[in-house]
Amino acid sequence: QKEVEQDPGPLSVPEGAIVSLNCTYSNSAFQYFMWYRQYSRKGPELLMYTYSSGNKEDGRFTAQVDKSSKYISLFIRDSQPSDSATYLCAMTRQAGTALIFGKGTTLSVSS
Amino acid sequence: DADVTQTPRNRITKTGKRIMLECSQTKGHDRMYWYRQDPGLGLRLIYYSFDVKDINKGEISDGYSVSRQAQAKFSLSLESAIPNQTALYFCATSAAVARNQETQYFGPGTRLLVL
Repeated sequence: QKEVEQDPGPLSVPEGAIVSLNCTYSNSAFQYFMWYRQYSRKGPELLMYTYSSGNKEDGRFTAQVDKSSKYISLFIRDSQPSDSATYLCAMTRQAGTALIFGKGTTLSVSS
Repeated sequence: DADVTQTPRNRITKTGKRIMLECSQTKGHDRMYWYRQDPGLGLRLIYYSFDVKDINKGEISDGYSVSRQAQAKFSLSLESAIPNQTALYFCATSAAVARNQETQYFGPGTRLLVL
């Protein structure tokens, strides 16, 4: 079993839809969780950062971490065509250790 | 100007050739990383360096070597390129001491094709 599992999609939704992206993980020591967004032919950029369990909201984006289930989610409200990208989850157990990335989910939002 | 730059952005080379990919950063970060990205496999860590005198192997270091010439520069070398090293290569940096220090900042990538 891979340490981090992420459904690669592709996921296609109409503009205005609510999008749910998810990752599961096997290492209960992970404490720091991130979501990166990667546009075509660009490097990944940090979208959301969460420490331990709980929710974090930033505009149309909400990140959720459920450590008991080893499950993290990213919700996008009122999705826009500009949200079309690949979304990668990433996590690590402590500061100073390498990030473990999911394979990424490709999202397409049509107008 | 971009905080993390990579050169070249695109490179075509032949099997057996030695090539170097370079990364420079102006973020003042101590930590630097090299990843490769392949369709269906995601980002995989090749090497990382937490300071100028520190070099660590990542998940897939075979066939690669690195050099940390200065705090701001981290180079990746393919000593004898082979076709399965065709991929998109990313450099990333992170701060040793900072809020959210686990966050990594990525360069724009180098697209490498080995014929």
